[in-house]
Amino acid sequence: GENVEQHPSTLSVQEGDSAVIKCTYSDSASNYFPWYKQELGKRPQLIIDIRSNVGEKKDQRIAVTLNKTAKHFSLHITETQPEDSAVYFCAASIRDNFNKFYFGSGTKLNVKP
Amino acid sequence: EAGVVQSPRYKIIEKKQPVAFWCNPISGHNTLYWYRQNLGQGPELLIRYENEEAVDDSQLPKDRFSAERLKGVDSTLKIQPAELGDSAVYLCASRRGQGARETQYFGPGTRLLVL
Repeated sequence: GENVEQHPSTLSVQEGDSAVIKCTYSDSASNYFPWYKQELGKRPQLIIDIRSNVGEKKDQRIAVTLNKTAKHFSLHITETQPEDSAVYFCAASIRDNFNKFYFGSGTKLNVKP
Repeated sequence: EAGVVQSPRYKIIEKKQPVAFWCNPISGHNTLYWYRQNLGQGPELLIRYENEEAVDDSQLPKDRFSAERLKGVDSTLKIQPAELGDSAVYLCASRRGQGARETQYFGPGTRLLVL
């Protein structure tokens, strides 16, 4: 099956700086990649997603890039704010089975004011 | 649109006791997932339903875990008997299930502590 690896496990940045979280996947059949944000004690919530026919997608301060050849995708957060502090999870879904998701192990982002 | 509802939110039990979790997915969502999330880790799939059929339960410890989704809507996950290692957050998620453009939506989870 698919294997998703996520790095780093923790990331600390100063408010206003950028943060980058990277994920790799193993199955070239994967073609849908969502990112979730989970605040302490709360449910994971989708913040952005990308499909394999697109190389980059932006939504205000958040962007995701996908390199299908290298099988990796990244989350970029610019102008970080303290409320961005949370755990971020990447996931991958396989083309023939869109209903099954494989999750990374998460990155704890701490934005220092 | 109401989100995924789970109950209870918290549960503390002693080992060897049974426990059950309930999930009500978003209306119209055919696919329902149960995940287990250990502290500091990503969600791990336990079982996935397409309507009332369990289509992926390869990760479900069947000696003590069971699940059902009798009418293709609500679902119950049961552990009997619970072990110390079962302490985790149990997340339910649902998805419309009609192609690649649909993501899944998570419930708030049930935080289980086994003493």
